Amino acid sequence: NAGVTQTPKFRVLKTGQSMTLLCAQDMNHEYMYWYRQDPGMGLRLIHYSVGEGTTAKGEVPDGYNVSRLKKQNFLLGLESAAPSQTSVYFCASSPSGGDIQYFGAGTRLSVL
Amino acid sequence: GENVEQHPSTLSVQEGDSAVIKCTYSDSASNYFPWYKQELGKRPQLIIDIRSNVGEKKDQRIAVTLNKTAKHFSLHITETQPEDSAVYFCAASTGGFKTIFGAGTRLFVKA
Repeated sequence: NAGVTQTPKFRVLKTGQSMTLLCAQDMNHEYMYWYRQDPGMGLRLIHYSVGEGTTAKGEVPDGYNVSRLKKQNFLLGLESAAPSQTSVYFCASSPSGGDIQYFGAGTRLSVL
Repeated sequence: GENVEQHPSTLSVQEGDSAVIKCTYSDSASNYFPWYKQELGKRPQLIIDIRSNVGEKKDQRIAVTLNKTAKHFSLHITETQPEDSAVYFCAASTGGFKTIFGAGTRLFVKA
């Protein structure tokens, strides 16, 4: 039982480059989330999805885009990476809102 | 906007002592309060949660209390062990997509 899987685990980008982070869950959860974690700031919601084909902005959406074409996958894209996007990114899923969230192992991204 | 304040940011205790972490939330519509533990370099994992219709919940050495009137909730760890060393996050949810996390408490348990 894999739970929530994120790829890649680590990535280094140059300013202006683009990349996509992939999140996959095998628990048939409706809700999926992308967070970023910065020192001393906890987890901040970037974008979320309440079901296949739906996405919405969270607290810090600028510079990111997402897609959820399949229920089990939630993709996070950076079109033009900036040093301010250096962070650890966590994907999570939950069966519904206001419920336990299951997190992936995280992606450590550095933008130079 | 809504926020969750968590204190202290760092807590150091001797093995066997108790540890208490406190959180305050601002959105009175919050009705679900999970606590997550994150070991160094690992993913956050739920350790205990409480819903607004309950004042206290206990699971072995871990307990959570909720005071809805004061909008406070706390995590209590008794008989701390070195493996309890980690960062602990409180959170508050109104039941929809929005879960607001506290900034975290780094707990050190000294052997």
